[in-house]
Amino acid sequence: AQSVTQLGSHVSVSEGALVLLRCNYSSSVPPYLFWYVQYPNQGLQLLLKYTTGATLVKGINGFEAEFKKSETSFHLTKPSAHMSDAAEYFCAVSSLSGNTPLVFGKGTRLSVIA
Amino acid sequence: KAGVTQTPRYLIKTRGQQVTLSCSPISGHRSVSWYQQTPGQGLQFLFEYFSETQRNKGNFPGRFSGRQFSNSRSEMNVSTLELGDSALYLCASSLDPGQGSGELFFGEGSRLTVL
Repeated sequence: AQSVTQLGSHVSVSEGALVLLRCNYSSSVPPYLFWYVQYPNQGLQLLLKYTTGATLVKGINGFEAEFKKSETSFHLTKPSAHMSDAAEYFCAVSSLSGNTPLVFGKGTRLSVIA
Repeated sequence: KAGVTQTPRYLIKTRGQQVTLSCSPISGHRSVSWYQQTPGQGLQFLFEYFSETQRNKGNFPGRFSGRQFSNSRSEMNVSTLELGDSALYLCASSLDPGQGSGELFFGEGSRLTVL
């Protein structure tokens, strides 16, 4: 069975500081990996995804994530936080076959302090 | 291209009542998934429909049910509502399973409050 663990339910950073949100996954088959963002009172929006190929994936709004198979990790980073980045972030995993539902982590709430 | 549309956006019910939520997927998407989001549990998978057939089902009681119509629109129903059913119910659509990357496109959700 697939699972996702997000370390830290709440992360607080200063504006302009590095953002690092951690995600570790468990999957018995090669995974597809995703980061989604949710702003207040909205649905989830895809930030970036890893399917195959290059392990460093660039997404929207300056975010990127690196797939590290040996560490079963897919951490999300952004060099410089902006106030508008304050939101909840979800890491998710699915299988290459597409026959299993997308499994989400419990989310990390990012606060950005001015 | 229109996104995923969920109705109603907000609703309030009392215990014991039932509720029906609707979801219209992105045009051309034939797979619809439903998730329940609560502060304590995060996003929990309810079920997935593809071509009017339930393909996957999460670990929820039988009070939770769904269906999909020939135009890919989907509904979910919760009967005999309990206080713990208060949540944001998210619908997501995707391309044919196994052909896409598994990416889901979410609606804004239906926020259910049970009093």
